[in-house]
Amino acid sequence: QSVLTQPPSASGTPGQRVTISCSGSSSNIGSKSVYWYQQLPGTAPKLLIYNNNQRPSGVPDRFSGSKSGTSASLAISGLRSEDEADYYCAAWDDSLSGWVFGGGTQLTVL
Amino acid sequence: EVQLLESGGGLVQPGGSLRLSCAASGFTFSTYAMNWVRQAPGKGLEWVSGISTGGGATYYADSVKGRFTISRDNSKNTLYLQMNSLRAEDTAVYYCAKGEGYSSSSGMDVWGQGTTVTVSS
Repeated sequence: QSVLTQPPSASGTPGQRVTISCSGSSSNIGSKSVYWYQQLPGTAPKLLIYNNNQRPSGVPDRFSGSKSGTSASLAISGLRSEDEADYYCAAWDDSLSGWVFGGGTQLTVL
Repeated sequence: EVQLLESGGGLVQPGGSLRLSCAASGFTFSTYAMNWVRQAPGKGLEWVSGISTGGGATYYADSVKGRFTISRDNSKNTLYLQMNSLRAEDTAVYYCAKGEGYSSSSGMDVWGQGTTVTVSS
């Protein structure tokens, strides 16, 4: 059971907008920055969003992050086939003194 | 270009030991926190351990506390994970991940390609 809660799956058609939620608590998301990672099949995770809503250089602006209270969301607009991947949220947890991840959301582009 | 290259994975019997290494290049290794994250077959990501820039602060997931030891050699730009008393449930791909800053609570911004550890008799 993961400390952060994500839906196990999400889907959309090309061009659509999809959102993936991530729910935590006051000791992690509620007080710390949220990070999002994209893991394409057979590859290492890649940083997608940092500090709740910031994109590293090279990440398309189709990807956006937001946070409110103890929950966060990743939105992907203009969905493309190459966005098909697993997405993970993460945050530092002050109570555990360690990083916690969501269980991951498998995104399917129909 | 920032690069992280893990090595040291392999097949080990339950109760055995293994030491993983992560060779870093393309950045000033000594000024960034580092982490190990693992992924069991078909499962999600699990943070294993983190270490501050000088190695004075180390953190572990409860699942590995007392069995794994993280360390770093800043003169060799290398991160290590000593794994003892290995169990079947430690079977996973182990990733080395660079922190954004000096603190272990800094987010992980660059990941290596991973090294596979299999614990089986």
